[in-house]
Amino acid sequence: AQKITQTQPGMFVQEKEAVTLDCTYDTSDPSYGLFWYKQPSSGEMIFLIYQGSYDQQNATEGRYSLNFQKARKSANLVISASQLGDSAMYFCAMILNKFYFGSGTKLNVKP
Amino acid sequence: DTEVTQTPKHLVMGMTNKKSLKCEQHMGHRAMYWYKQKAKKPPELMFVYSYEKLSINESVPSRFSPECPNSSLLNLHLHALQPEDSALYLCASSSRGANEQFFGPGTRLTVL
Repeated sequence: AQKITQTQPGMFVQEKEAVTLDCTYDTSDPSYGLFWYKQPSSGEMIFLIYQGSYDQQNATEGRYSLNFQKARKSANLVISASQLGDSAMYFCAMILNKFYFGSGTKLNVKP
Repeated sequence: DTEVTQTPKHLVMGMTNKKSLKCEQHMGHRAMYWYKQKAKKPPELMFVYSYEKLSINESVPSRFSPECPNSSLLNLHLHALQPEDSALYLCASSSRGANEQFFGPGTRLTVL
């Protein structure tokens, strides 16, 4: 059963605008963690942001914020003021006993 | 040092060759991972080592043989691979009790 779902295979955003990448998850375990990773064409997986299931506040890291809606089981990534260097593949992931990755969203930032 | 290194960056091998991928971290992490990633797909977990012992093998074919010689090193020995094994192989590490996995840059493997 799919535990992490990313419904946007590809997205375009204009430079300097904000963009939201969607992620929903499925688990009945009360303890879990949610991550977003960025993967440029070079291949390296770059950690962006983490949200724990018990965290009361939404996580933020610079231009990245995680919109955590526990009741809806969603953990969307918001990138503010997009830059050309943000063009990459973005993976949502959840940790239970191991990491579960979503299928990814390819983000293209247009100048 | 907050880096996971992997060598080689690229590897081309024939189906009868034996080769090894190497991964190294000096962050004191006691969990290390091998992932396989095909183009435009998410990483798929292959193996997990915890405290230098194999704790998870995700039903990986025996032509892939992992080895953890010490807490900083993780190898993946390859033998008699198939063309469909061509992929990006990612190594990652994490500290026990922590959540974030640090990934290396990967090895792009092509099997001819």
